[in-house]
Amino acid sequence: KNEVEQSPQNLTAQEGEFITINCSYSVGISALHWLQQHPGGGIVSLFMLSSGKKKHGRLIATINIQEKHSSLHITASHPRDSAVYICAVGGSQGNLIFGKGTKLSVKP
Amino acid sequence: DGGITQSPKYLFRKEGQNVTLSCEQNLNHDAMYWYRQDPGQGLRLIYYSQIVNDFQKGDIAEGYSVSREKKESFPLTVTSAQKNPTAFYLCASSMGHRSYNSPLHFGNGTRLTVT
Repeated sequence: KNEVEQSPQNLTAQEGEFITINCSYSVGISALHWLQQHPGGGIVSLFMLSSGKKKHGRLIATINIQEKHSSLHITASHPRDSAVYICAVGGSQGNLIFGKGTKLSVKP
Repeated sequence: DGGITQSPKYLFRKEGQNVTLSCEQNLNHDAMYWYRQDPGQGLRLIYYSQIVNDFQKGDIAEGYSVSREKKESFPLTVTSAQKNPTAFYLCASSMGHRSYNSPLHFGNGTRLTVT
């Protein structure tokens, strides 16, 4: 069983829709990261959180430590949000464990 | 603007040749990392360095080597001993000495193809 599971693997949405991407993990963590990878390959850090909720623009990240689950929400989605979204958690060895990513496509 | 520069973006090599991927950062970060990304898999850690002149093996270090002679630079050499070198390689850095407690900054990656 993978230590970090993301769902769904692929997601297609219409512009304007509310989007949720989920991340479940099985290891004890100190922090969870949400990353965005654009088609060119570069990765941008969106959030790092260890409890509660964080918001940046149209993006919201939440984490439930007891349930070992995090969600990334995108409100009023736009075609430029099309990317792969990656969840990563800080594992016991002191390095990050990455999920396989969720590929989001937002259609105009 | 501060950031991480990886070069080249695309690299082609013949099997049996060593190849070095460049990674430079001007963020004044102590920690630097090399990850490998393969289709359908999460990023995997190859090597990391928390300080100049020191580096540690990650989960898939076999067939790779690194150096950290300067704070700004962390080149990765893919040797002929790496059995499946064709992949997308990403360099990252962070202010903290542990990648899980500081935001990571990534380069744009180098896509290596070995034939």
